[in-house]
Amino acid sequence: NAGVTQTPKFRILKIGQSMTLQCTQDMNHNYMYWYRQDPGMGLKLIYYSVGAGITDKGEVPNGYNVSRSTTEDFPLRLELAAPSQTSVYFCASSLGLAGGRETQYFGPGTRLLVL
Amino acid sequence: QKEVEQNSGPLSVPEGAIASLNCTYSDRGSQSFFWYRQYSGKSPELIMFIYSNGDKEDGRFTAQLNKASQYVSLLIRDSQPSDSATYLCAVRGATNKLIFGTGTLLAVQP
Repeated sequence: NAGVTQTPKFRILKIGQSMTLQCTQDMNHNYMYWYRQDPGMGLKLIYYSVGAGITDKGEVPNGYNVSRSTTEDFPLRLELAAPSQTSVYFCASSLGLAGGRETQYFGPGTRLLVL
Repeated sequence: QKEVEQNSGPLSVPEGAIASLNCTYSDRGSQSFFWYRQYSGKSPELIMFIYSNGDKEDGRFTAQLNKASQYVSLLIRDSQPSDSATYLCAVRGATNKLIFGTGTLLAVQP
């Protein structure tokens, strides 16, 4: 049981380049999330999904796009990378129980540097 | 006012002492409260959750919730050097999204 997996672990992008951060979970969780964490800061929600085909914006969605075509996968797309997108990106998943009494499980993270 | 506030620390305690980590939140409608531990360069891992007022104990960890004061805390008894990490408080409100604090860095001195 791998849990939540993310690829790549580390990437350097030039300004203006694009890339996709991959996230896969094998726990059959309905909910999936993308967060970014800047140094010394908490996690900020970028996008989330409550099921295949359904996505919604979080606190900091600008410059990102997502899709959810399957329950397992939730890729995050960066278009026209900017230095402000230098961060550590975490994908997470949860069952999606009513009332919010549930745990989010985090992937190992992707460290992105935009130069 | 930030939605979830934590003292960034570092909080330094000697080995064997009690570490007390505090968190306040602004949304009175918040229902669920979580403490995550994050080691440097690693992903957050859940250590405690609490939904009702009062205390909840799990091993060396005790979470305390006071909804009237909008305050949640984490006590770590018999602190060990392996407890040295950043502790993130997270709160789930009416929107069903988790809002994280910036974390408190705990350093346990041998």
